[in-house]
Amino acid sequence: DTGVSQDPRHKITKRGQNVTFRCDPISEHNRLYWYRQTLGQGPEFLTYFQNEAQLEKSRLLSDRFSAERPKGSFSTLEIQRTEQGDSAMYLCASSSSTSGSNEQFFGPGTRLTVL
Amino acid sequence: AQSVSQHNHHVILSEAASLELGCNYSYGGTVNLFWYVQYPGQHLQLLLKYFSGDPLVKGIKGFEAEFIKSKFSFNLRKPSVQWSDTAEYFCAVTYMNRDDKIIFGKGTRLHILP
Repeated sequence: DTGVSQDPRHKITKRGQNVTFRCDPISEHNRLYWYRQTLGQGPEFLTYFQNEAQLEKSRLLSDRFSAERPKGSFSTLEIQRTEQGDSAMYLCASSSSTSGSNEQFFGPGTRLTVL
Repeated sequence: AQSVSQHNHHVILSEAASLELGCNYSYGGTVNLFWYVQYPGQHLQLLLKYFSGDPLVKGIKGFEAEFIKSKFSFNLRKPSVQWSDTAEYFCAVTYMNRDDKIIFGKGTRLHILP
């Protein structure tokens, strides 16, 4: 499968614990995006990378959230001291800035439940 | 702030009925427009997109959408729906020169009765 992959698919954690999610984009894509989707809402932009550089962060991304893409390939999203309000589906997408179409391809998401 | 508004949160239709889902976006310059679909238990998939050219865009599975610049609209249509079209549909926009982040609408949950 050459699409965007995310791991884990589901994560249940207790409030106050740290969690980390991984996204592997389509291999030739240099842009990687993180979105969050809560029940009844569309996905909301969190942050994005071009290669290893994090170029934009949403105000939704509090200081408990950190994202990295150290080698310009896979990315991790860490949430520290999780809160019940962090429960959501975390989506990753990738695209190529050189393709001309800027179409983003989405992964299956990681569903986080904070108890 | 840029935003996308979807007119209907929940639509119920019988098979073979015609479908139109409304979508409006806020002004912000040149836009790219998308409709994504999320079937039950599956991830977001691109249904169709508009970047430039013919404002009537045809997508997969018989869907089409029309970009009307003067109305800031990008409504999704299908002449005859099938039970397998049951899904959630998201209208989305990116604004040129604004880092390509996608701004999504809240989604329309479509339920087709067999």
